[in-house]
Amino acid sequence: AQTVTQSQPEMSVQEAETVTLSCTYDTSESDYYLFWYKQPPSRQMILVIRQEAYKQQNATENRFSVNFQKAAKSFSLKISDSQLGDAAMYFCAYRQKSSGDKLTFGTGTRLAVRP
Amino acid sequence: DGGITQSPKYLFRKEGQNVTLSCEQNLNHDAMYWYRQDPGQGLRLIYYSQIVNDFQKGDIAEGYSVSREKKESFPLTVTSAQKNPTAFYLCASSATPNSNQPQHFGDGTRLSIL
Repeated sequence: AQTVTQSQPEMSVQEAETVTLSCTYDTSESDYYLFWYKQPPSRQMILVIRQEAYKQQNATENRFSVNFQKAAKSFSLKISDSQLGDAAMYFCAYRQKSSGDKLTFGTGTRLAVRP
Repeated sequence: DGGITQSPKYLFRKEGQNVTLSCEQNLNHDAMYWYRQDPGQGLRLIYYSQIVNDFQKGDIAEGYSVSREKKESFPLTVTSAQKNPTAFYLCASSATPNSNQPQHFGDGTRLSIL
């Protein structure tokens, strides 16, 4: 079974600085998707960024980018120019392509942004 | 606006009672999902449905039941057999299973025991 590990329960960053959230996963599959979701205090899950395993280029969405290391099974999220609105829980998630779209989530990292 | 609507936002259950959480989507998505979220844990999959009139158990289906009679609706019943139902429940949908499209989530329902 696939597992997703987020080893940082809490992180803190100064406003306007850069922070990196870690995620590792375990799978025997070669083709899959990886996602980062943000959950603010409102509890809604918001997609931040996604990566397809067969694409070597790291995904980027504005201030958010990933460092995808397929051999190491690592998928970290970098947030640049951190803003107060970035404060939230961040979840890493894995989806096997043939699994019927089921997501496997990590336990999350709570990010605090200091003004 | 297209989206996923979960109701109610808060729900209380008495001992031995079944309760049903509603999930409706107007995104014309084929697939729908129910997740449970407990403090300090990520989301865990309860049930999912890839097509109308069909659904599969997820990782923690015991004590729950679902139906998928309409494409836009996927209600979750928490039965009295679920001994620890207090949690935050999230419904999600995606356009088609096995595609590269992400899942979209509703705002959730918080269930508590009286």
